[in-house]
Amino acid sequence: SYALTQPPSVSVSPGQTARITCSGDAVGNVYVYWYQQKPGQAPVLVIQKDSERPSGIPERFSGSSSGTTVTLTISGVQPEDEADYYCQSSDGRGGSVFGTGTKVSV
Amino acid sequence: EVQLVDSGGGLVQAGGSLRLSCSASGFTFSRYWMSWVRQAPGKGLEWVANINKDGTERNYVDSLKGRFTISRDNSKNSLFLQMSSLGLNDTAVYYCWAGGSYWGRGTLVTVFS
Repeated sequence: SYALTQPPSVSVSPGQTARITCSGDAVGNVYVYWYQQKPGQAPVLVIQKDSERPSGIPERFSGSSSGTTVTLTISGVQPEDEADYYCQSSDGRGGSVFGTGTKVSV
Repeated sequence: EVQLVDSGGGLVQAGGSLRLSCSASGFTFSRYWMSWVRQAPGKGLEWVANINKDGTERNYVDSLKGRFTISRDNSKNSLFLQMSSLGLNDTAVYYCWAGGSYWGRGTLVTVFS
C-alpha cells in the first residue's frame, strides 16, 4: 500500500527554522496537504496543495515540493508551534493516506 | 460556522459492533466527499474510509477487510460508520472529516476483551 514517510521528530529553538519532509513514490504527481495537531485537538490544515497557505495561517508556515519529497517549513518557530505535523495526499485509488507524523519540539 | 459533531463512540467488547454518526452544519453537506479518520492512543492519523457526494462510491483502507461500512444521509446532513467484528486495535478516536480544515472533534471507541 502507498505510504508517506516523515521523520519522527524535529527539535528547534524559538526563532529558528524547522523543516519537515514527507516522502512518497507519488509525491510530485499528487497534491500534498499538511496538518498541525496539538494534544487533545483535531488537526488543523496549515498548507494545502503543496504550498498554499489557507486563510488565517501565519506566514511563517510554507510548503515546497521537489521530486518525491515535499517539505513543510516553519520560519521563526514560536512556542505555540510545538505540535505533531502530518502530511496527507491521495492514495491514487480513491482514498487518502496520512504521513507517519512528525513531533516538533520547541 | 462549519460544525461536524461526531457521536456514537463508547466501550464495546471485542467482536462487537458500533455505529458512529456525524452531524454536519454550516456548509452544503451534499457537495462534499466525506471521510472517517481514526487515531489510536499515542499514534498517528489513519484514514479509514470515504464516500462520494451522493453515496454511490465508497473507498476503504485495505486493512479493514470489509468490517466497516461508511454511509451518508444527505437529507439529514449526516455521515455514518458501521463497525463490526471490532478488535482491540480498533480502539481509537474516530474523526469525521470533510476535507481541509473541516474536522469533527472526534468520538472515542474503546474495545475491551
